[in-house]
Amino acid sequence: EDQVTQSPEALRLQEGESSSLNCSYTVSGLRGLFWYRQDPGKGPEFLFTLYSAGEEKEKERLKATLTKKESFLHITAPKPEDSATYLCAVRTGNQFYFGTGTSLTVIP
Amino acid sequence: EPEVTQTPSHQVTQMGQEVILRCVPISNHLYFYWYRQILGQKVEFLVSFYNNEISEKSEIFDDQFSVERPDGSNFTLKIRSTKLEDSAMYFCASSGTELAKNIQYFGAGTRLSVL
Repeated sequence: EDQVTQSPEALRLQEGESSSLNCSYTVSGLRGLFWYRQDPGKGPEFLFTLYSAGEEKEKERLKATLTKKESFLHITAPKPEDSATYLCAVRTGNQFYFGTGTSLTVIP
Repeated sequence: EPEVTQTPSHQVTQMGQEVILRCVPISNHLYFYWYRQILGQKVEFLVSFYNNEISEKSEIFDDQFSVERPDGSNFTLKIRSTKLEDSAMYFCASSGTELAKNIQYFGAGTRLSVL
């Protein structure tokens, strides 16, 4: 059965304290791994797509990496405005499977 | 900036009633999706739609659900006879050209409450 698991469920960081979020997946025929940010009461906001092991993408303080079994979202020197839930999703065929997310709180 | 618009933001209905959730995708997008998120749980894929037909659907998307693109701008999700367990946030998403079809833009969602 295709599965996406994210850890930790929740993370509290001091402003400037770098860390990483993990997304592990077991799917057949991966056609893309996606990272989204979701703010309370809003829909997911696209951040990155990764397609093959070894691929990396960066945007401001965020960097996403991919291996054959997992992806990491690295957050460097986070700011309070980075507080949100970060979702990982994978595509297999034309279906998309989401993890339960990591709720990130950045304390000033 | 173009955005996906969903209406209503909150829909309250009685069990057994039909509901239609409406979405206006980004105007030049070709791929359309519906997802749901039960409170406190993960986002779940329901259906993808391309070229006026369903391209993929999940096990959740049973005969009680249907989708339609009645004109060039709207994309709707119909639930024929709502159940208590249909209470959730429903998100519509769209994506553009073949090269960018994995970049999905989500609406703010419709919260469906079934009483």
